[in-house]
Amino acid sequence: AQTVTQSQPEMSVQEAETVTLSCTYDTSESDYYLFWYKQPPSRQMILVIRQEAYKQQNATENRFSVNFQKAAKSFSLKISDSQLGDAAMYFCAYSRSGGSNYKLTFGKGTLLTVNP
Amino acid sequence: DAGVIQSPRHEVTEMGQEVTLRCKPISGHNSLFWYRQTMMRGLELLIYFNNNVPIDDSGMPEDRFSAKMPNASFSTLKIQPSEPRDSAVYFCASSTSTGWDYGYTFGSGTRLTVV
Repeated sequence: AQTVTQSQPEMSVQEAETVTLSCTYDTSESDYYLFWYKQPPSRQMILVIRQEAYKQQNATENRFSVNFQKAAKSFSLKISDSQLGDAAMYFCAYSRSGGSNYKLTFGKGTLLTVNP
Repeated sequence: DAGVIQSPRHEVTEMGQEVTLRCKPISGHNSLFWYRQTMMRGLELLIYFNNNVPIDDSGMPEDRFSAKMPNASFSTLKIQPSEPRDSAVYFCASSTSTGWDYGYTFGSGTRLTVV
């Protein structure tokens, strides 16, 4: 079974600084998808960024980028120029590719605090 | 688009009572997922449907939980009888069966408290 591990229960960053959230996963699949979701205090789950395993290039969405290391099964999220609105719980998630079983498996989350 | 709509947003009930949570997926999405979030266990998939048919219900904790999707625009998750350990936030999410790899769209969740 696939597992997703986020080893940092909490992180903090100063406003305008950069922070990196870690995620590792375990799978025997060669093709899959990885995601980062943000959950602010409103509890709405918001998709931040996604990565396709067969693509070498790291995904980027504005201030958010990932460092995808397929061999190491690592998928970290970098937030540049942190803003107060980035404060939230961040979840890493995995989904296999193909077939009909496309459920998302989530890590336990990292609570990010942004200090003014 | 109104997004995935869940109701109620909050529910407080007494142990032993029946609880029904409701979800309206995004129009055109044919896959629907129910997740439960707790501090201890994080986000757990309870069940998911494709074209109104349950595909995987292995995450449903026990017989007290049941889920239905009578049509493409409505799903329910029922707990009968409810217990204090069922207290959690329950999320519904939807996607297309061809667009799931772009992630789901989640509802705002229902916070259930069983006292």
